[in-house]
Amino acid sequence: AQKVTQAQTEISVVEKEDVTLDCVYETRDTTYYLFWYKQPPSGELVFLIRRNSFDEQNEISGRYSWNFQKSTSSFNFTITASQVVDSAVYFCALVRRSGANSKLTFGKGITLSVRP
Amino acid sequence: GAGVSQTPSNKVTEKGKYVELRCDPISGHTALYWYRQSLGQGPEFLIYFQGTGAADDSGLPNDRFFAVRPEGSVSTLKIQRTERGDSAVYLCASGERPSSEQFFGPGTRLTVL
Repeated sequence: AQKVTQAQTEISVVEKEDVTLDCVYETRDTTYYLFWYKQPPSGELVFLIRRNSFDEQNEISGRYSWNFQKSTSSFNFTITASQVVDSAVYFCALVRRSGANSKLTFGKGITLSVRP
Repeated sequence: GAGVSQTPSNKVTEKGKYVELRCDPISGHTALYWYRQSLGQGPEFLIYFQGTGAADDSGLPNDRFFAVRPEGSVSTLKIQRTERGDSAVYLCASGERPSSEQFFGPGTRLTVL
């Protein structure tokens, strides 16, 4: 069985602060993908990143960065210099890399509020 | 290009009625997924289509729920004898192939009175 745990439920920061969203996962699969999605108040889930279980290199995209550590089964997401537009619910998710079962298993999400 | 679209955006129905929710995936995407999202929760998997066939329907909660994708493009989620507990946002997603990024539609908010 697969499981994604996002222990933080709500985070509130002031604009320009850095913030890290934690994600811990459980899987018996040796190959899998990890994802982060953003769900702004409008409701539509927006894809942010997909990471292959074989690739533990950290990734940076603008103000966003991701730290994947297989040893601790964690895939954390950091927003640098947060902005009000970053306010949203952020979901971490997991999917098997092969086979017929390609459903996403989501965490419960972290509500991020960025105050001006 | 056009993203995933879902209709209707909102559906209010009475307990016991039948509803159909429609999903138009991104053109060319062979994988199509239905999820259900309750308030304060992450999306939960319902069913996955690869082409026209349901490759995994293990998330359907009971036999009142059924989905089809007859031509490998548009999909319809059908719920019979709706119950108040079916109230949720129903999300559709599509992907180029299994395990690729899934792109989500805006969802259909279903309210069963």
